[in-house]
Amino acid sequence: QVQLQESGPGLVKPSQTLSLTCTVSGGSVSSDNYYWSWIRQPAGKGMEWIGRIYSRGTTTYSPSLKNRVSISLDKAKNQFSLKLNSVTAADTAVYYCARGFGSAAIEYFDFWGQGTLVPVSS
Amino acid sequence: QSALTQPASVSGSPGQSITISCTGTSSDIGTYTLVSWYQHHPGKAPRLLIYEVIKRPSGVSNRFSGSKSGNTASLTISGLQAEDEADYFCCSYAGSSNYVFGTGTTVTVL
Repeated sequence: QVQLQESGPGLVKPSQTLSLTCTVSGGSVSSDNYYWSWIRQPAGKGMEWIGRIYSRGTTTYSPSLKNRVSISLDKAKNQFSLKLNSVTAADTAVYYCARGFGSAAIEYFDFWGQGTLVPVSS
Repeated sequence: QSALTQPASVSGSPGQSITISCTGTSSDIGTYTLVSWYQHHPGKAPRLLIYEVIKRPSGVSNRFSGSKSGNTASLTISGLQAEDEADYFCCSYAGSSNYVFGTGTTVTVL
């Protein structure tokens, strides 16, 4: 059974960089047909897709966040990471990592982490 | 890209059937069959229920079924059970490697 676990600082100050890591167990981030994704949910709102990275390192980001976000892969540690810079209070959310399955596009997200709340506050 | 629209809440008695709608546009649900549904108990990892509009992953009860008409996808839960009380959300491919999620629906079992 594939498991994903988010980790990172519990609080980020405005204008700083939010950094999160997702550790994958029971599966390999090097496997083909999987897109390792970040998704977030602000309080009281729906989920928002942030971006994804393919096993070969190709990344795609949400148009609304692409100027501030980067996702990277660490195959040796079986992890992938998110960096979101110049954060504001609007970036306060529960952040989820998830595995997306598909060939040309993600067909579905089959495994998710439990999520981690990241408040942005001074 | 705007979020897909879902009713904020839906309720039903045990044994009844309920349907949750997910309304998008011709740029997402109306064009693509990559629509999926998830069950989410707060504090836990979301669980995949339906993918490609109508398909069920192994291990998901056949009480959950999906459909699509035009720009609206739907999730039906038959034989409602207490354990079905949770949040549910939809997701659709929106083209250009972009994905859009629904606003989420809280299901209450009366």
